[in-house]
Amino acid sequence: DVKVTQSSRYLVKRTGEKVFLECVQDMDHENMFWYRQDPGLGLRLIYFSYDVKMKEKGDIPEGYSVSREKKERFSLILESASTNQTSMYLCASRGTGESQPQHFGDGTRLSIL
Amino acid sequence: AQRVTQPEKLLSVFKGAPVELKCNYSYSGSPELFWYVQYSRQRLQLLLRHISRESIKGFTADLNKGETSFHLKKPFAQEEDSAMYYCALKTGANNLFFGTGTRLTVIP
Repeated sequence: DVKVTQSSRYLVKRTGEKVFLECVQDMDHENMFWYRQDPGLGLRLIYFSYDVKMKEKGDIPEGYSVSREKKERFSLILESASTNQTSMYLCASRGTGESQPQHFGDGTRLSIL
Repeated sequence: AQRVTQPEKLLSVFKGAPVELKCNYSYSGSPELFWYVQYSRQRLQLLLRHISRESIKGFTADLNKGETSFHLKKPFAQEEDSAMYYCALKTGANNLFFGTGTRLTVIP
């Protein structure tokens, strides 16, 4: 069974802080994703990575960056956190091959004060 | 541009009644569609994909290219079906584009 682990379930930070959200998967998946989940807006893709050191912008990359130094780890970085980045953040991974589903972590509920 | 529309934010049905969660899409390519479900305090997980033509937990979904729809149906709703449901459209090799979700409540 695929396991996608996000380092924190809940996180509270202050405006202007640099915030790191970590995600690790144990299935040697090439593809990893960061979404934010907001009521009424569904899931929106922030960034994804299809290989080590490779990254692509999603639909809402502004204010975020990512790092993929190792295959199993995909980090989301808020360079200078703002209150509008308060949200639930979901990490997902997916293997290659047709119609492979995305496997999600439990999510990190981030509050920026 | 691609779009996934789930017109109902909230849907309530009685236990044993039929349920249909609507999903319409807009995409110029060949669509590949999925339904994901998130039960209370659980992670988001795949429910079914159109390409498999499967029935999972009594749910089915048929891709109707003429109506650009992928509605999720179950003939007899159960209390344990209460959850948040997301329709998703795969665009390109990696992107999944999600709808805004429908929260289903099954009333005992």
